[in-house]
Amino acid sequence: DAKTTQPPSMDCAEGRAANLPCNHSTISGNEYVYWYRQIHSQGPQYIIHGLKNNETNEMASLIITEDRKSSTLILPHATLRDTAVYYCIVRIDNYGGSQGNLIFGKGTKLSVKP
Amino acid sequence: DSGVTQTPKHLITATGQRVTLRCSPRSGDLSVYWYQQSLDQGLQFLIQYYNGEERAKGNILERFSAQQFPDLHSELNLSSLELGDSALYFCASSGRGVSGTEAFFGQGTRLTVV
Repeated sequence: DAKTTQPPSMDCAEGRAANLPCNHSTISGNEYVYWYRQIHSQGPQYIIHGLKNNETNEMASLIITEDRKSSTLILPHATLRDTAVYYCIVRIDNYGGSQGNLIFGKGTKLSVKP
Repeated sequence: DSGVTQTPKHLITATGQRVTLRCSPRSGDLSVYWYQQSLDQGLQFLIQYYNGEERAKGNILERFSAQQFPDLHSELNLSSLELGDSALYFCASSGRGVSGTEAFFGQGTRLTVV
């Protein structure tokens, strides 16, 4: 799996957009970008994933650059409950295959402040 | 609620003992993953099963073993326990969804070895 680079920590004001960057300059053509978050000692929670197009769901938006070497997760209106560690992971979407597991890095600790 | 159930939630045992952690995946999910999270190591991938077969191994010690049963539930067996095995153990499952193979995590088993 390609390596990702994320800032270790970020702050965001409640109600503002949180923009979490991720660099994945060695991503290969068949690797997806996945985002997960972990709220203090709970199980990691899936947020969103994409291949090359921008994606949006009820939780967040994912913006992937045209060269796919970086991406940004956007939480449009951050709340205190969004305080968590956010993980950017690249992986092959290979259901059942040996390369389908998720390799977590250190992630970004996002602190949403009132 | 992710739909992945792990039992027990907490486990305290002595060094040298053996324990079994149990995971029930989301209904219909064929892939199960086990992860270990200790304070200084972050989330470490241990092992993956798909439909009863081992598919990938990560940083799993020889003292640890896992299996997936015909009903798709999985067990992680930890033996000759050491103080350093104290950690959160997460199970995740994934299925072939419409948009990909995102994994969903249980709430974990907190193992304390004393």
